[in-house]
Amino acid sequence: KAGVTQTPRYLIKTRGQQVTLSCSPISGHRSVSWYQQTPGQGLQFLFEYFSETQRNKGNFPGRFSGRQFSNSRSEMNVSTLELGDSALYLCASSLASVSTDTQYFGPGTRLTVL
Amino acid sequence: AQTVTQSQPEMSVQEAETVTLSCTYDTSESDYYLFWYKQPPSRQMILVIRQEAYKQQNATENRFSVNFQKAAKSFSLKISDSQLGDAAMYFCAYRSLEYGNKLVFGAGTILRVKS
Repeated sequence: KAGVTQTPRYLIKTRGQQVTLSCSPISGHRSVSWYQQTPGQGLQFLFEYFSETQRNKGNFPGRFSGRQFSNSRSEMNVSTLELGDSALYLCASSLASVSTDTQYFGPGTRLTVL
Repeated sequence: AQTVTQSQPEMSVQEAETVTLSCTYDTSESDYYLFWYKQPPSRQMILVIRQEAYKQQNATENRFSVNFQKAAKSFSLKISDSQLGDAAMYFCAYRSLEYGNKLVFGAGTILRVKS
C-alpha cells in the first residue's frame, strides 16, 4: 500500500498570500489530521477530518482552515500568511477516528513565508 | 488540558549500548494512549511503540520497550542495542479517548548514536 502523500513538499510564499496544502491518506483510511511543526512551538494539532466532517480543532486562528473530500483526500488552507506560519506541516491518516487506530504520517510540506 | 513533558533536549548513546528517554505527562483522565514517535532527518514521523493506559504490561517492540508508571504519569522509552539508524528526534505523545485522533506531543529529545 502506498503511504500518506503530501503535496507540494516545499513551498515559498510571501506575507499576505494564501496557500493550500494537500494530503492523500493511505487507501481505505478515512481520518486525516493536520499538525504544524516549528522549532519554537513544537508539534501542534491543527484539526482532524473524518468522513468530510471536522471532528476536532486545535487552537489556531481562523486563517487556518481545512476540508476533506469524499475520497478522503484533505486540504488545508492558510490565508493572509504571516512570517510565523513558516513551518513543516504534517498530515496523518488512520482508518477511522477512534483511539485504537494507529496514525501514519506523511513526509510533510515545508512552508517558508518571506 | 493534557500536557506532555520531555525533560531531555538531547541524549547520546554509544552504538550497541542502551539508552532511556524520559517522558512525563499530566492528565485527569483514567484511560488514554501513549506513544513514542521517531522523526529521523528525513522528517517522516514513524511510530515506534504505543501503550494503552488500561494495560499494566509494558509494551515491547523488538529493541524498544517502555516503562509505563501510571500513578507517576511517567512513560519512558528504552532502546537496547542502539544502532546508528536510531539517531533521530523522539517524541512522546498522548492521545485522549475523547478527542479522536488528536495527539499532544512533547518537545522531543534528540538522540545521537556514536560509533
